[in-house]
Amino acid sequence: DSGVTQTPKHLITATGQRVTLRCSPRSGDLSVYWYQQSLDQGLQFLIQYYNGEERAKGNILERFSAQQFPDLHSELNLSSLELGDSALYFCASSGGGRAYEQYFGPGTRLTVT
Amino acid sequence: GENVEQHPSTLSVQEGDSAVIKCTYSDSASNYFPWYKQELGKRPQLIIDIRSNVGEKKDQRIAVTLNKTAKHFSLHITETQPEDSAVYFCAAFDSGGGADGLTFGKGTHLIIQP
Repeated sequence: DSGVTQTPKHLITATGQRVTLRCSPRSGDLSVYWYQQSLDQGLQFLIQYYNGEERAKGNILERFSAQQFPDLHSELNLSSLELGDSALYFCASSGGGRAYEQYFGPGTRLTVT
Repeated sequence: GENVEQHPSTLSVQEGDSAVIKCTYSDSASNYFPWYKQELGKRPQLIIDIRSNVGEKKDQRIAVTLNKTAKHFSLHITETQPEDSAVYFCAAFDSGGGADGLTFGKGTHLIIQP
């Protein structure tokens, strides 16, 4: 157990819908990273938040957005969903004593039908 | 941006033999190189990492080597066991670039044959 939690574990929704994925980082970690894992694209960095502020953007679509709240949990919002958005979405946290190390949560499996 | 190439995509070894997975990166500013192990349907689990000021690091049966000049790094697993079967990902990270995420290789499916 990495100490990072994610909900829900599974999500099935229809095209065009909007969903919110939630992540709680390890105690003491200030950074939250979101990653998407699919068979064709592999593991791809989406976005990073540090202590409530957006720090970096990777291959994140404009239909996707995220935020980090004062209690440091983060939410990833996916809207106007398409079949190709079906993937595993992981969050990772870092920022304790060894800031480089990123620890992954269990992931949310999103299926868009 | 950074690009990480990983080889081989599949590696089958006999139990007890060694396994080596190799990665190359493109951005000379990258200075942190972690390796993750992912079992089917599970989260990527950090197993070992190395920073650019070190050439080699060992942790029991696992070791990682880094060649900054050639921009490549490798994972070595000795005395492989059935529980080593998984997909292994290498990654690169530039901690001095403000902030960014890990850039991952495409993964190596390691199969340990009994």
